[in-house]
Amino acid sequence: SQTIHQWPATLVQPVGSPLSLECTVEGTSNPNLYWYRQAAGRGLQLLFYSVGIGQISSEVPQNLSASRPQDRQFILSSKKLLLSDSGFYLCAWSVPDGPGLPLHFGNGTRLTVT
Amino acid sequence: AQKITQTQPGMFVQEKEAVTLDCTYDTSDQSYGLFWYKQPSSGEMIFLIYQGSYDEQNATEGRYSLNFQKARKSANLVISASQLGDSAMYFCAMRQGAYNFNKFYFGSGTKLNVKP
Repeated sequence: SQTIHQWPATLVQPVGSPLSLECTVEGTSNPNLYWYRQAAGRGLQLLFYSVGIGQISSEVPQNLSASRPQDRQFILSSKKLLLSDSGFYLCAWSVPDGPGLPLHFGNGTRLTVT
Repeated sequence: AQKITQTQPGMFVQEKEAVTLDCTYDTSDQSYGLFWYKQPSSGEMIFLIYQGSYDEQNATEGRYSLNFQKARKSANLVISASQLGDSAMYFCAMRQGAYNFNKFYFGSGTKLNVKP
């Protein structure tokens, strides 16, 4: 069966520090991968998605970036965090090609920028 | 433009009663998928139910059913016989894309509180 691992679960970082959140998927090949952000009590904002190694689509311009160095690995990064980067970050994967296939989420990372 | 609209920020329901959570969507695509997710306070996102744009019957999964009205572009979630454990945020989502259905759009969510 497929599983998705996301870490760390919580993170407190000072403004201006770098960020690296990692996500890996097991049990499937060539998944679509996604990073979402959720502000407290709000909906999910799509940040990045990837359909293959090295292929990244950015949905919202910001000081975050994403990379996919391996088929089942997705990394969210920032060189200098802002206070507004605080939130709940969710990694997700889906099987490509088909409207009926759901997103499967990791357990999320709560990021607090102080 | 908003792709998914959930107009109920919060809802209360008495335990054992049914509740309907509203969702409307906006797309010009003919083929798309509609999903509902549950997010408890722990933060995990739990997939509940799926409805395809070509499905003629409303989807059902246990106590969950999806009231799909394509002409009105609505996909309401109905939870029958509410339980205390149903208290959570609920998100409606749509999967679409011109070729590969790569994008998932989410609504702003509805917080459901089940009262004993």
